[in-house]
Amino acid sequence: DSGVTQTPKHLITATGQRVTLRCSPRSGDLSVYWYQQSLDQGLQFLIQYYNGEERAKGNILERFSAQQFPDLHSELNLSSLELGDSALYFCASSVSGQANTIYFGEGSWLTVV
Amino acid sequence: AQKVTQAQTEISVVEKEDVTLDCVYETRDTTYYLFWYKQPPSGELVFLIRRNSFDEQNEISGRYSWNFQKSTSSFNFTITASQVVDSAVYFCALSIMDSNYQLIWGAGTKLIIKP
Repeated sequence: DSGVTQTPKHLITATGQRVTLRCSPRSGDLSVYWYQQSLDQGLQFLIQYYNGEERAKGNILERFSAQQFPDLHSELNLSSLELGDSALYFCASSVSGQANTIYFGEGSWLTVV
Repeated sequence: AQKVTQAQTEISVVEKEDVTLDCVYETRDTTYYLFWYKQPPSGELVFLIRRNSFDEQNEISGRYSWNFQKSTSSFNFTITASQVVDSAVYFCALSIMDSNYQLIWGAGTKLIIKP
């Protein structure tokens, strides 16, 4: 158990819908990351937050947004969902985001039908 | 340019065999960090090891060992006496300051251990 908690574990939704994925980082970790893993694209970095502020942005679509709250939990919002958004979404956390080890949650499996 | 190459897409061995997963990295930074993660069929990503560029000592953890060689820019992972539970996809990753310490991932090696 990495200590990073993600909910829900599985989600099935229809195209055009909006979903929210939730993440609680490890105790003491200030940095949260979101990754997408699809069959054809491997692990893609989406976005990173550090202590509530956006620190780095990767290949995150405009239809997606994220935030980190004062209690350090984070949410990833996915809207206008398309079939191609079906993937495993990982949240990860680290102490500071500066060369620390990044620990991953178990992932949220999203299926868009 | 920074890059991680895991040339072995898939490896299949019989249980109890030793197996080595290769990882070759590219970076011009003198300070960098290397990682291995395991992704079993259930999907989670499990951290295995983190190494910084100044520590070339090999590491052993039970049946797992890692060979870090700066001269060849490699960070190979060996499983001794493999077990079926070792079946997973293994990812090697690189972290450098220039990339804001974001993980640069290899494509992964799928390891199949046959009973």
